[in-house]
Amino acid sequence: AQSVTQPDIHITVSEGASLELRCNYSYGATPYLFWYVQSPGQGLQLLLKYFSGDTLVQGIKGFEAEFKRSQSSFNLRKPSVHWSDAAEYFCAVGDPGGYNKLIFGAGTRLAVHP
Amino acid sequence: EAQVTQNPRYLITVTGKKLTVTCSQNMNHEYMSWYRQDPGLGLRQIYYSMNVEVTDKGDVPEGYKVSRKEKRNFPLILESPSPNQTSLYFCASSFRLVTDTQYFGPGTRLTVL
Repeated sequence: AQSVTQPDIHITVSEGASLELRCNYSYGATPYLFWYVQSPGQGLQLLLKYFSGDTLVQGIKGFEAEFKRSQSSFNLRKPSVHWSDAAEYFCAVGDPGGYNKLIFGAGTRLAVHP
Repeated sequence: EAQVTQNPRYLITVTGKKLTVTCSQNMNHEYMSWYRQDPGLGLRQIYYSMNVEVTDKGDVPEGYKVSRKEKRNFPLILESPSPNQTSLYFCASSFRLVTDTQYFGPGTRLTVL
């Protein structure tokens, strides 16, 4: 069955520290991959997406993610976290045909200490 | 301003009282969908629509109805709400495909007593 796993429910980092949020997927073929961010009280916003090509993808707000086919992973990274990055982060997969639906992970809530 | 709007933002109701949550987008998007968000479960798709008069079930459609009579509007209808439908609901739209960038509304927090 298709699924997305985000192993970390909560992560706390200090401001200025590096960040890595994990995402693993189970899918029949290589899916399209997404990271969305949900700031408190708001809807979700797309950070970045991977369809094909270079496995290191740059997104908005200084985030990047790396697709590793051998590990079925698409981890999100940021070299230096800002207090405004405190939010919930969702990994999602989609069918390359563009139809059907997006499958979201359960989310990782990030807290940032000053 | 390009946006997806939802109304109401907050709603407390009682079991069995029919309600409608409206969703409207001003980006001329073809694809629209409804999700519910529950703690520990992430977002689960309820219904989606590829275009006007074209709708289909997502992962958790039971107890919900939708319609797409106009391109910009995609209301979510709960004919007989139950407490297990207490959740945070999001409407989203994208240009044409689900894998295009999804634009989300601000959410509707529904409590069914």
